Amino acid sequence: SQQGEEDPQALSIQEGENATMNCSYKTSINNLQWYRQNSGRGLVHLILIRSNEREKHSGRLRVTLDTSKKSSSLLITASRAADTASYFCATDAWGGTASKLTFGTGTRLQVTL
Amino acid sequence: SQTIHQWPATLVQPVGSPLSLECTVEGTSNPNLYWYRQAAGRGLQLLFYSVGIGQISSEVPQNLSASRPQDRQFILSSKKLLLSDSGFYLCAWSVAGSSSPLHFGNGTRLTVT
Repeated sequence: SQQGEEDPQALSIQEGENATMNCSYKTSINNLQWYRQNSGRGLVHLILIRSNEREKHSGRLRVTLDTSKKSSSLLITASRAADTASYFCATDAWGGTASKLTFGTGTRLQVTL
Repeated sequence: SQTIHQWPATLVQPVGSPLSLECTVEGTSNPNLYWYRQAAGRGLQLLFYSVGIGQISSEVPQNLSASRPQDRQFILSSKKLLLSDSGFYLCAWSVAGSSSPLHFGNGTRLTVT
């Protein structure tokens, strides 16, 4: 079953604008990760935030985590056409010897010139 | 640097035929290995993961099996494909241990006709 649900399902913005995607999940987690997928390709890891962290930055990316609301958001600032892709959140609720991630259904981001 | 190779990129197979998808990782030792399936417009579903040679954990009962004959080789197989096996299959690796990001291959698009 899908643990994470992204919102919105699709987002269209102009270059230079900020893009915000949200993720909600159902159970307690050890960490939450965000991935990017270009059409027809594999996923690329963007950022990992642990359950005891509230905010994390990486370049133009900012991720927040609210464990009390079981939600996370991904903000992409000053978007570029190259940011066009699908973005997925994934939760790790196991904490064992492998990363058994549960992925959401993704947000399709379209950045136009 | 570490690389992951997955082949073939696309595959069209008739119902009832066998399947073998191969994935190899270079530049790291004793990785955790994973097989995911992505249905069209959906998130990823974890099929199998392996923490060592010959150690396979199945997450979803299905028509598929996995094997790890060598440290950095992961194979997804089926004896008889079903229509419902169509999808985008992704291999991934992570550093051994928990809470590690996944590194994905470019996937195999399987169409069962």
